[in-house]
This record gives sequence, structure tokens and C-alpha cells, in this order.
Amino acid sequence: KNEVEQSPQNLTAQEGEFITINCSYSVGISALHWLQQHPGGGIVSLFMLSSGKKKHGRLIATINIQEKHSSLHITASHPRDSAVYICAVRSFGETSGSRLTFGEGTQLTVNP
Amino acid sequence: GAVVSQHPSRVICKSGTSVKIECRSLDFQATTMFWYRQFPKQSLMLMATSNEGSKATYEQGVEKDKFLINHASLTLSTLTVTSAHPEDSSFYICSALSGLLNQPQHFGDGTRLSIL
Repeated sequence: KNEVEQSPQNLTAQEGEFITINCSYSVGISALHWLQQHPGGGIVSLFMLSSGKKKHGRLIATINIQEKHSSLHITASHPRDSAVYICAVRSFGETSGSRLTFGEGTQLTVNP
Repeated sequence: GAVVSQHPSRVICKSGTSVKIECRSLDFQATTMFWYRQFPKQSLMLMATSNEGSKATYEQGVEKDKFLINHASLTLSTLTVTSAHPEDSSFYICSALSGLLNQPQHFGDGTRLSIL
């Protein structure tokens, strides 16, 4: 069992739909990241969370530390949101120079 | 916001060539840089971690003589794939972290390496 698991692996939606991607982890963490990887390969850091909820534009990220679960929501989805979304965690107690553990990613396709 | 610049974005070269990939943090000092390799449809695989001014720490199974990493300044790290062979063809991506607390890790746009 991977330390970080995402679901679903693939998601196809129609433009305008509300989208949720889930991430569960099995280790203690100091922070959880949501990343977006574009078709060309570049990766953008969307959120870094250690508790609660963050919102940026149409994106919302939540985390429940007790349940070791995080969700990424996209409201009013658009074809330009099509990308791979990756959940990554930094384990609790390690220094900021330590590694991230990545989920397998969720391929999102939003059709017009 | 913070930006990490990686280049070249794509390299195609003959077997036996050495290829250097640069990773620069443009508006922050990166005390730690990470180099990843990614195969198609798979997640990022950490190759090595480098701290400025010290030797890189390589992950198990990564040949340090094959993948030379230099982190000579707080804004620049390089990965050199020495005597590259077709099996080294892959997508390589760097990432940088400042020494400040609670800062996100920023990623470059990656380098697609194709060895003929």
C-alpha cells in the first residue's frame, strides 16, 4: 500500500461541473501539497496545507489531519483545468529539506 | 511569485553524449534542490537531493557517477547525465526549496531527454 493514495486515477467531466479529487495518506505529516502538472510536463504548486482549508480562485483545498485525508475541489471546471493533479506529503518531524512523497496523480479531462 | 527556471526544455542527442541540465531559482535562495525523473504515466521519482555547498545525497539505485549533481550557489543546481544511453531517455524535473519555514516547494518545467 502506497503511503499516499489518490482517487480517482482518471476523471472526465463536462465544462462547468464541480470536481473533487481525494488524497489519503498513512504517515504523520507536516504539510500536504497539491500540485498541477500540465500536459507539457511543468509542475505548478497549487496549495500547501497543514490544517483547515485554503481557497484560490476556483480551487479549494481541505485537509482533515485526524482522518489523514485531503480533497481538492474545482468549481465551475473549464477545459483549461485539464491536467494531472498530484497530492504530495512531507512527513512530520523531518526538516524542510526532506523529501516529498507523491501520490500517483489524477488525470483530469474537462470537455467543452 | 517564486519561479524555478529549468533548461533546456528538450534535448535530443546521440548515445555517448553528456548532457547538462540547469535549474535556477529566480527570485529566492534555494538551500535545497531536488532532481526527479518521471516515466510516462508515472509519478515523480526522486533521484537526489542537494544542499548548497555540499555533496548531493543520491537515492538508492541512482548512479552518482552517471548523474552528476552540482549545487554551487544558492540559485543554481546542475544535473549532468554522463555518457548518456537510450535507457537514460526520460523526463527530468528539478525542484527548489528555500530555507525559510513553511514555504512550498517550487518546480521547474522539466527537461525531456531523448537519446538516440
